[in-house]
Amino acid sequence: DTAVSQTPKYLVTQMGNDKSIKCEQNLGHDTMYWYKQDSKKFLKIMFSYNNKELIINETVPNRFSPKSPDKAHLNLHINSLELGDSAVYFCAASLTTSGSYEQYFGPGTRLTVT
Amino acid sequence: AQSVTQPDIHITVSEGASLELRCNYSYGATPYLFWYVQSPGQGLQLLLKYFSGDTLVQGIKGFEAEFKRSQSSFNLRKPSVHWSDAAEYFCAVGGPNTGFQKLVFGTGTRLLVSP
Repeated sequence: DTAVSQTPKYLVTQMGNDKSIKCEQNLGHDTMYWYKQDSKKFLKIMFSYNNKELIINETVPNRFSPKSPDKAHLNLHINSLELGDSAVYFCAASLTTSGSYEQYFGPGTRLTVT
Repeated sequence: AQSVTQPDIHITVSEGASLELRCNYSYGATPYLFWYVQSPGQGLQLLLKYFSGDTLVQGIKGFEAEFKRSQSSFNLRKPSVHWSDAAEYFCAVGGPNTGFQKLVFGTGTRLLVSP
């Protein structure tokens, strides 16, 4: 079983469209994250949810809206896609009660905006 | 502000040779330090982590890292590199000073392994 899974793996869409990326974790962890990895491989956190509550919201355009229906899922919805949104988006999960801060990553979703 | 510097953008090592990847961090308290590996087209896999205690930590795939507080470093080492080690390696720092479970990543070092 995959610990952290994302769908789709690849997403190609046109500017102006709205798209969603889904993330599910079966680790029983209570915190989930979205990261963006740009073309230079730089990883930057976007959002973090703990028990369905938004904890970290970095400087991200309002077009990006995370939603956590339950502790095992964290979806990312993007409105009015722009060329600069092209990147690989990673979901991750961690267990805060462990105090270890280690995060487990999904395989990534490569978003290409044309 | 917390930051991580990986000074080498890419490194080429011969198969069987030893490897050291550098990582320097800036953090206001005792850091939690991590090394992750990303194979092409894959997600990030945790290699090892340091929280406290023994400053030499062992990880998966034969990797180890040493925490040196005086040098603000957490370098990754492997005594003998295999071709399958070719990947992107990321150092990250976290802990109470970075906010709730937030990790700050370095820019990565790409490892190339020559025959």
